[in-house]
Amino acid sequence: ELKVEQNPLFLSMQEGKNYTIYCNYSTTSDRLYWYRQDPGKSLESLFVLLSNGAVKQEGRLMASLDTKARLSTLHITAAVHDLSATYFCAADAGGTSYGKLTFGQGTILTVHP
Amino acid sequence: DTGVSQDPRHKITKRGQNVTFRCDPISEHNRLYWYRQTLGQGPEFLTYFQNEAQLEKSRLLSDRFSAERPKGSFSTLEIQRTEQGDSAMYLCASSPGPVGTQYFGPGTRLLVL
Repeated sequence: ELKVEQNPLFLSMQEGKNYTIYCNYSTTSDRLYWYRQDPGKSLESLFVLLSNGAVKQEGRLMASLDTKARLSTLHITAAVHDLSATYFCAADAGGTSYGKLTFGQGTILTVHP
Repeated sequence: DTGVSQDPRHKITKRGQNVTFRCDPISEHNRLYWYRQTLGQGPEFLTYFQNEAQLEKSRLLSDRFSAERPKGSFSTLEIQRTEQGDSAMYLCASSPGPVGTQYFGPGTRLLVL
C-alpha cells in the first residue's frame, strides 16, 4: 500500500528566508503532484512531476523528483507572506490504478515579517 | 472552462439521514474522482470513474456509500444512514485522462449531527 509522508508538518518562516519541504513515498511511483490549499478553500495544482529528475519552477517555488530515492522536494526561495498556506504532495499509485492519488498529511506554512 | 463545480457547498444533516452530493467536472474530462478530507488531514481517495465506468473504490468506503456517473458527465455521491464519522469535506476532481493534473472543485462540507 502506498504511503506518503511529508515533513515538516508545521513550518514557520521569516520573510526572505529559504526552506525545503520533503515528501517521501513508500512504493514505486513515477508521478508526483504538489497542491496548495488556503484555509477553507479547495486544492490548487502547483506542479506535476512525471519522471525521475524532473524539476519545475514557478515564481518562488521549485519542485523536484527523485524516483530512486522515492523523494520529492518543494523548495521555497525568499518567502513572502502570500505563500502562507497548506502544501500537499500526492503520489500516483500507477499500474492499473493510474490517477489514484495518495496524499501526504500536508505542511502548514506560515510566513511572518 | 468553468472549472469543477459541486453542489451543495454545505450540508447539515441528522444522523441516520441520507444525503446526495453532485459534481460537475470540467467539460470533456473523462476522469472524475471523489476524495474525502477531514480537518488537518490530506484528501483521502474514495472512488473514481473513467467516463461512466467506476474503476475502483477505496477499501475504506463502506456499503453505505455509493457513487455513479450516468452518461459519463456529472457524478453523484450518496451516503445512506449517515453517521457522525461521515462529517468531512467531500472533494471532487476531474482530469482529461489518467495522467496529469487533477482539478479540484470547491468541495461539499458535510456536518452530521
